[in-house]
Amino acid sequence: QVQLVQSGSELRQPGASVRLSCKASGYNFHSHYINWVRQARGQGLEWLGTINPNDGSIDFAPTFPGRISMTRDTSTTTAFLALYSLRLEDTGVYYCVRGRGGSDSEAYDVWGQGTEVTVSS
Amino acid sequence: VLTQSPGTLSVSPGERASLSCRASQSVFRNYVAWYQQKTGQAPRLLIYDASNRATGIPDRFSGTGSGTDFTLTISGLETEDGGMYYCQQYGRSPVTFGGGTKVQI
Repeated sequence: QVQLVQSGSELRQPGASVRLSCKASGYNFHSHYINWVRQARGQGLEWLGTINPNDGSIDFAPTFPGRISMTRDTSTTTAFLALYSLRLEDTGVYYCVRGRGGSDSEAYDVWGQGTEVTVSS
Repeated sequence: VLTQSPGTLSVSPGERASLSCRASQSVFRNYVAWYQQKTGQAPRLLIYDASNRATGIPDRFSGTGSGTDFTLTISGLETEDGGMYYCQQYGRSPVTFGGGTKVQI
C-alpha cells in the first residue's frame, strides 16, 4: 500500500543539525511532490516546504532563511529534510506528506507517521 | 492568513457541526483542504479543492465555500468525529494552515 515511513526520534542540542528521512513506497515516486510539515506539541501545523521529486527543485517557507534544506534520492525513493542551527522552538513532530496530484499545489493525502525532534541542552 | 472559528465546538452525537475557515485574501482556485487530527496521530485528509471528499471519507463530511469563506460541515456527528480540524490553503506559496477547531463530542 501507499505509505511514507519516517526515521526515528532525534535529540539534539541547540545549534546542532538534524537530518530526517522519509521512505516512500507503493506508488510512483516521480508523480507526487513531497512536502514537510511540523507541529510543536499542542500546537497547529506549519508548512516547511516542498520538493519536486523529478528535478529536486524546492520551495521553502520564508520563516527558515538558510536553516533548511530538502533533497531526494530517486534510486531509493527517499526524501530528506535537514534543519540547521537548531533552536529550542524547533522541537516538535516533523511529518513528510505526499501531494495528492502531480503539481506543487495539492492537498496532502498521505502522511508519514512523524519524527519527533527534541532540541534541548 | 487562515482564521478558523470557533476555537472549540461542543456537540452531541447525531447533531450537525459547522466549522468556519476565513482567509485574509481570496484563495487561488479555491484550493482549500480540511484535515482531521486525533490525539497522537497524523492528520487525515477529509476535503480537498474546497468541496471534494477524499478517498474513504464518509459522506457526512462536506465542504463548501469559495473566495475567502469556507465551511466544513459534519452531519450526524459520531463519537469518533471528535478531534482537531484544520483548514489549509495550497493555492499560493507559502502553504498555510488555520489554527484549528477542536470538536468535542
